[in-house]
Amino acid sequence: GQQVMQIPQYQHVQEGEDFTTYCNSSTTLSNIQWYKQRPGGHPVFLIQLVKSGEVKKQKRLTFQFGEAKKNSSLHITATQTTDVGTYFCADNEKLTFGTGTRLTIIP
Amino acid sequence: NAGVMQNPRHLVRRRGQEARLRCSPMKGHSHVYWYRQLPEEGLKFMVYLQKENIIDESGMPKERFSAEFPKEGPSILRIQQVVRGDSAAYFCASSRDGAYNEQFFGPGTRLTVL
Repeated sequence: GQQVMQIPQYQHVQEGEDFTTYCNSSTTLSNIQWYKQRPGGHPVFLIQLVKSGEVKKQKRLTFQFGEAKKNSSLHITATQTTDVGTYFCADNEKLTFGTGTRLTIIP
Repeated sequence: NAGVMQNPRHLVRRRGQEARLRCSPMKGHSHVYWYRQLPEEGLKFMVYLQKENIIDESGMPKERFSAEFPKEGPSILRIQQVVRGDSAAYFCASSRDGAYNEQFFGPGTRLTVL
């Protein structure tokens, strides 16, 4: 069956450093969604990417969808303590979530 | 506009008892999804329902688990004869137009089986 893997599993960064999480699927994706889950909270939708090679920005967050539509990345510039949480990618057509990357910030 | 509501937020059951988890989708949403999340792990899809229909239950264990979304009232995830391995957070999500769209998640029900 399809697998959606994310790397790294954990990332610790100093506040102000950049952060990137990568999402890789074993099959081609129709579209990909990204969610953020704060510790003890529930997933919150961030964005959806549909087109091959698409790049979208939300303030300090940059999302990319690979040309082959099998991978995606989320990059956060100059992290802040409010960025703490686990970031999941999701193939919502198959209702499959990635394994997640947990981001912790060292103040 | 109230978000997705789940109750109870915390549920404690002894082995062998039944657990009933409720989910009220956002107003205007007719698609409901249930996910299970074990501690320190990702979200595992369980079942996708539309009003009175089960669309996809491929992620749901064949035994002890059932789900419904009646014409009136909340969606219910029912776990019979719970075991310790059922301890997890169960999240419900809803969407307006189906699986291709943004899902709005509820706060989850944390089930603990003693």
